[in-house]
Amino acid sequence: ETGVTQTPRHLVMGMTNKKSLKCEQHLGHNAMYWYKQSAKKPLELMFVYSLEERVENNSVPSRFSPECPNSSHLFLHLHTLQPEDSALYLCASSQDIRGGTYTQYFGPGTRLTVL
Amino acid sequence: AQKVTQAQTEISVVEKEDVTLDCVYETRDTTYYLFWYKQPPSGELVFLIRRNSFDEQNEISGRYSWNFQKSTSSFNFTITASQVVDSAVYFCALTPASNYQLIWGAGTKLIIKP
Repeated sequence: ETGVTQTPRHLVMGMTNKKSLKCEQHLGHNAMYWYKQSAKKPLELMFVYSLEERVENNSVPSRFSPECPNSSHLFLHLHTLQPEDSALYLCASSQDIRGGTYTQYFGPGTRLTVL
Repeated sequence: AQKVTQAQTEISVVEKEDVTLDCVYETRDTTYYLFWYKQPPSGELVFLIRRNSFDEQNEISGRYSWNFQKSTSSFNFTITASQVVDSAVYFCALTPASNYQLIWGAGTKLIIKP
């Protein structure tokens, strides 16, 4: 596998379910990101990890819980979601986070539907 | 304030036509980076180009070209001889050197008709 991969690609869940999104990067990068893309809204940065430490948490509801066990893997644990959480969730990675000098490379996304 | 404006919400052209996607940005930083990404219907954001604020040279890559003009704070993207496979949403983004966060434009949906 090359680049950034995400599983599953599609997920339908009820509001009481617990599920996890997985992201893996094969680029040797040190930083990883979670974004949310809702219809007709700009991309929202949710979480940022650098060398497995969280450096950004943009006022995301606690029903979203990230985990970064190592620099290649990033998870987004979901529980008690709301229908408005239905969106495309994109993972990205970059060599580093310093000064915007590094390009972010994105995975294919997980299309989440909350019923 | 940091802002990226893509005024064209949707553009529709016939295959083989040339098309230009506009991007205007605002920043007070003297060092910054500009990006273009392509998002086909599959959803993945595909990186196309990064340009730093000190490099105003235009870039050409195959049918793609980019025109960076600091005087007008614009970073426009032109596709020459468009093809159906170019159909996608194209995003322009900005990040100041002081921050890693990407500031995104709203995107331009490009439809290439056969």
